[in-house]
Amino acid sequence: SQQGEEDPQALSIQEGENATMNCSYKTSINNLQWYRQNSGRGLVHLILIRSNEREKHSGRLRVTLDTSKKSSSLLITASRAADTASYFCATVRTNAGKSTFGDGTTLTVKP
Amino acid sequence: SAVISQKPSRDICQRGTSLTIQCQVDSQVTMMFWYRQQPGQSLTLIATANQGSEATYESGFVIDKFPISRPNLTFSTLTVSNMSPEDSSIYLCSVKDGGDTEAFFGQGTRLTVV
Repeated sequence: SQQGEEDPQALSIQEGENATMNCSYKTSINNLQWYRQNSGRGLVHLILIRSNEREKHSGRLRVTLDTSKKSSSLLITASRAADTASYFCATVRTNAGKSTFGDGTTLTVKP
Repeated sequence: SAVISQKPSRDICQRGTSLTIQCQVDSQVTMMFWYRQQPGQSLTLIATANQGSEATYESGFVIDKFPISRPNLTFSTLTVSNMSPEDSSIYLCSVKDGGDTEAFFGQGTRLTVV
């Protein structure tokens, strides 16, 4: 079974607005990663945050990690129509490096 | 970041046949993985491809159905054997250069079994 759950399942916003997606997981982790997937193609890596980190930024992306609550959030600021995609979180629990994916959030940004 | 070439990008296959998917990386990588993404769903790990030895399969996946080869640090294949319509999915190759690093994905193989 998937370790991660994401909410919302679907999010529709207007261009320029911010989008927040949440990810919860069940066991302790080494790191958590966020990915974007366009139209069922390959995944694009966005951000990796390690278990000893609380927040990371990359351009318009901000990721937080709360290990006490076993949750993470991805914030996309000033969204664009090109941000329309599915977003997945994935957790890595051991040095074996296997990723366990959440259910994903489908984001639609309307121009 | 690693550049991953996955072939074929899509295929339509008859039930009962087999398809081999190739994953070529432009640099040597420590870890290679194969995932399945069924329609409208998230990714599920099939197996870890181990160089020079048998792959490590996740619960629910077996070698007879999904034989995997990894002859070196830059190449792996996944075969989907004796296919049925339930095998229609996107299959993705992923690589990492250490357990605590980011994973990179190929563009996926969209398989339709008719």
